[in-house]
Amino acid sequence: AQSVAQPEDQVNVAEGNPLTVKCTYSVSGNPYLFWYVQYPNRGLQFLLKYITGDNLVKGSYGFEAEFNKSQTSFHLKKPSALVSDSALYFCAVSPVYGNNRLAFGKGNQVVVIP
Amino acid sequence: EAGVVQSPRYKIIEKKQPVAFWCNPISGHNTLYWYLQNLGQGPELLIRYENEEAVDDSQLPKDRFSAERLKGVDSTLKIQPAELGDSAVYLCASSPRASGGASDTQYFGPGTRLTVL
Repeated sequence: AQSVAQPEDQVNVAEGNPLTVKCTYSVSGNPYLFWYVQYPNRGLQFLLKYITGDNLVKGSYGFEAEFNKSQTSFHLKKPSALVSDSALYFCAVSPVYGNNRLAFGKGNQVVVIP
Repeated sequence: EAGVVQSPRYKIIEKKQPVAFWCNPISGHNTLYWYLQNLGQGPELLIRYENEEAVDDSQLPKDRFSAERLKGVDSTLKIQPAELGDSAVYLCASSPRASGGASDTQYFGPGTRLTVL
């Protein structure tokens, strides 16, 4: 079955510095990969996804992620973090051919320090 | 465009009582999902509907959980009877296409936070 590892519980970054949230995955065959963000008392909001093609995916709010097949990783990045980026970030994976089921990681809390 | 609507937002009940959650997906979305999110964890799929058909319910605890999507639009998730361990956030999501939509973006509602005392 597919799975995601988000190794860091919390990521602290100073406002204006680059932000990276790490994600590695395990799936049978090729993956579809997603990043979602969750603000307190709200549902998950879609940021970006990798389906096929260019390994660098650009998404909402200045976020991007790079698919690395050899390292089975899909790290989320933002060049300059904002205080408003403080939230919970989830990586998710689904196999291209399989059960159509999205497996989420446990999430990373991002804290941007003013 | 309105997003996924869920109600109630919060529910507190005593154990052994029944509880129901309602979800209205984005208009035109054929696929509807119910997820369970425990504190400090990512969402876990309970059931997936394609139109009115439950196509993936293998992770739904059928002894106490049930769901329906009678007209292929809104859906209800029920727990009867509730147990202490059911305290969690129940998320509903929808996506545009029916079968073959593993690459489709899922759009989530705000969730229902259930507390079982």
